[in-house]
Amino acid sequence: GAGVSQSPSNKVTEKGKDVELRCDPISGHTALYWYRQRLGQGLEFLIYFQGNSAPDKSGLPSDRFSAERTGESVSTLTIQRTQQEDSAVYLCASSKPGQGGETQYFGPGTRLLVL
Amino acid sequence: AQSVTQLGSHVSVSEGALVLLRCNYSSSVPPYLFWYVQYPNQGLQLLLKYTSAATLVKGINGFEAEFKKSETSFHLTKPSAHMSDAAEYFCAVSTPPGGSYIPTFGRGTSLIVHP
Repeated sequence: GAGVSQSPSNKVTEKGKDVELRCDPISGHTALYWYRQRLGQGLEFLIYFQGNSAPDKSGLPSDRFSAERTGESVSTLTIQRTQQEDSAVYLCASSKPGQGGETQYFGPGTRLLVL
Repeated sequence: AQSVTQLGSHVSVSEGALVLLRCNYSSSVPPYLFWYVQYPNQGLQLLLKYTSAATLVKGINGFEAEFKKSETSFHLTKPSAHMSDAAEYFCAVSTPPGGSYIPTFGRGTSLIVHP
C-alpha cells in the first residue's frame, strides 16, 4: 500500500515569506508527527496529532510555526516569515493508535532552503 | 523525562567487519526502544524495536540489538558489514502511558563502510 507522502519534496524561498508543507499519512494511522532535521543533526520533535485530541505543540520552536490536521488525514505545517535558520528537512511520520511502542512510518521529507 | 545518547557521530568499518553502533537511554519507566535507518535523501525506516518481550531483538538486513537494563543500553550490531549498510542510524526511546509516548531520537550515527 501507499506510504507516507510529503510535498513539495524541495522548497526554496526567500527570507520573510510564508511556506506550507503537506503530509499525507498512511490510511488508518491516527497518530501523526512532524519533525525537523537540520544538517548533521538528529530529529527535533515539532508537533503531534492523535485522532481528535488536542495536538501536542510542545516542540514548536516559535509562534511562526503552526500545523493543522483535517480529521485523521492530511496535515499542513506552516512556517510564517521564514528565517534562514528554518532551513532544514521537515519529516512527517504516522503510526497506528496504541499505548506506545508503535512503529513510526516516515515520509521522504521536504527540504526547505531559506535564502 | 527520557533521553537517548548515541556515542560516535561517525563509525567507519571495513566490508565484512563487525558493526557496533552504541545507544544509551535514560527513562524513568521501562522504555520502548527503536533503531531506525535513514538512507540518503530518504525518510527513516524501522530496523528493529524492543517492547518488553525478548531482550535480544532481531531486525531486518541482519541487524540485531540487545536491551540491557543494568547498562541502560540498546546497542545495534551486525556480524558482517555490507557496502549497502552505509547510512545514518538513529536510536529512539518512548515510554508507555505515564511517560512520553512521543519518541525521543538520538543525534544519529553515520555508518561508513569501505571496501
